[in-house]
Amino acid sequence: EAGVAQSPRYKIIEKRQSVAFWCNPISGHATLYWYQQILGQGPKLLIQFQNNGVVDDSQLPKDRFSAERLKGVDSTLKIQPAKLEDSAVYLCATSTGGSYNEQFFGPGTRLTVL
Amino acid sequence: AQSVTQLGSHVSVSEGALVLLRCNYSSSVPPYLFWYVQYPNQGLQLLLKYTSAATLVKGINGFEAEFKKSETSFHLTKPSAHMSDAAEYFCAVSRGGGADGLTFGKGTHLIIQP
Repeated sequence: EAGVAQSPRYKIIEKRQSVAFWCNPISGHATLYWYQQILGQGPKLLIQFQNNGVVDDSQLPKDRFSAERLKGVDSTLKIQPAKLEDSAVYLCATSTGGSYNEQFFGPGTRLTVL
Repeated sequence: AQSVTQLGSHVSVSEGALVLLRCNYSSSVPPYLFWYVQYPNQGLQLLLKYTSAATLVKGINGFEAEFKKSETSFHLTKPSAHMSDAAEYFCAVSRGGGADGLTFGKGTHLIIQP
């Protein structure tokens, strides 16, 4: 089966610009996560969706970050305006949901903010 | 709240030697524990997961981990290291079940010496 798709793979922007990342989950996966992985650290959960509803966005910096999952399939994560400290890899993961469920990760989008 | 501590940001072993990557967790509820591997420029891949069915968990590529509640540990081992094992390894804990977002440790970079 096809894996989790993310685009773009790389993005370079100036601070204060806006940027958007796209994620296409594995077919049938109801749960979708966005993680931020800063260099030298483990991934940090930003937001979790169950179908098109938000389950957990407690660690999402809502003053500049937003995410949506229209129709419960694809998802978009946006940053506006970007700061230098937003430079990171943004990972999308999906799962079928339920207990003991494996999360499948996409290759990530590497963002560099200059 | 959950947290994960991985001891040693870098571990170097000789090919054929024992691999031991350490992970200690903190959780206010019975934990769900995972080990993920990340190869360069790739997404995270699940190695194994603890689901309370057995304390010794076997995963892919010859890796296994033992859950020790008294020590709050979930160390990853492999009897004989192979050059292809060189990668970044992350221990993670889930809050209330496998479907929840994961809290990751900072990772351990495994280096295999020929």
